[in-house]
Order: sequence, then C-alpha cells, then structure tokens
Amino acid sequence: DTGVSQNPRHKITKRGQNVTFRCDPISEHNRLYWYRQTLGQGPEFLTYFQNEAQLEKSRLLSDRFSAERPKGSFSTLEIQRTEQGDSAMYLCASSLAETGNGYTFGSGTRLTVV
Amino acid sequence: DQQVKQNSPSLSVQEGRISILNCDYTNSMFDYFLWYKKYPAEGPTFLISISSIKDKNEDGRFTVFLNKSAKHLSLHIVPSQPGDSAVYFCAASASPGTYKYIFGTGTRLKVLA
Repeated sequence: DTGVSQNPRHKITKRGQNVTFRCDPISEHNRLYWYRQTLGQGPEFLTYFQNEAQLEKSRLLSDRFSAERPKGSFSTLEIQRTEQGDSAMYLCASSLAETGNGYTFGSGTRLTVV
Repeated sequence: DQQVKQNSPSLSVQEGRISILNCDYTNSMFDYFLWYKKYPAEGPTFLISISSIKDKNEDGRFTVFLNKSAKHLSLHIVPSQPGDSAVYFCAASASPGTYKYIFGTGTRLKVLA
C-alpha cells in the first residue's frame, strides 16, 4: 500500500483556465475527502465521498468546483474558470468509516493561478 | 468564526526539553480531538487523538491533555527531538467516526539542537 497519492504535485495555470486534480486513496478506504489549505491556515473541508456517493459539500465549494468519485475508487476535483483566489494546496485524504484515527492525507496538489 | 484556535504561530524549544503546544475550541459539541504533524511538501500526518471521555492520552513521547471545562487541549512532547520540527495542527470533530474535522491554524515547532 503506497498511501494516498495525488497528481499533479504542482499546477500553474492562467486565470480563467480549467484544472483537474486526481486522488488515489488507500485501496480499502471507503471514505475520501478533499480539503483546501491556504497560507497560514489549517486545512478546510471541501467535500467528502462515502464510496461513490458525494455526501456533503462545503459552502466553500462554489459552482466552479466539482468533484467525482466514479466506482468509489479514485477521485477528481475540477475547478473551472480559475481565479487567483483559488491558489492553494488541495489535499485529499481517505479513511475507513469505522475507525476514529483520523484521515490519511496525501501530499497535496499546489495550485498557483497567475 | 474560528472554532479551533492555536494562538501561538510558532514555538522554539531546546532539544531534550518539553514542547507544549496549545489549542482552544469554542464549540461544546466537539468531543473528539486529534493532532496532526506536517512537514514541508508533505500532507499532514496523524499523531495522536483523544476522546472527550478521557482527559489524557499517551503514546510514547507524545501526550495529549484535554480540559473540557476550559475547552482547551495541549500536546506535550518529551523529550523534544530535532526531527519533531514541523507544523502541528489541532483538529476537532463531533464524533470519532465523523467525516469532517475542523482544523486550527497550526503552530510551527522548531527544536534546536
């Protein structure tokens, strides 16, 4: 098991472009989460999936953001018409619903919108 | 509305001494707390947790104390080692099996050799 894998590690994009990030969770984990971290802040919850179902979306997730988890395995997070305020570290995490030991995070995708 | 607060952005400690990182919360519904450690260019790593039914949980050099009446928890690292230098985040949730944690802003610990 290689842990939670996120690609790409870094993404620089021009304002107005669309970007997509991928997360591959730990294979036996049924929950997958997306968080966003900006400079000087802690991670902020964006959304989570239980298997393939997206069960909650934060109000931080505007209409330009969409996340999917087809077949309950990997997940993608797409940002349309990127804005400079979208620049952040996007963290994916996974867990088993039954455990209380928190999440396993990936190393994140750092997005810079220029 | 910052429900989980880490008021010390940074802390420096000599190697071998105790490091104490503090965290305060405002939501009385929180009953499960975690500490994560984050190195540069890596995701946060789970360190230790505590349920509200306990006031202390220990794991090796790491001990977390919870004071529910004061809505305060602290992480003690004894003895501190240079490899402990990282950013530490406190996180809270309403139950251990929950899907959502609220994180503090982090404290950068530097352990001086």
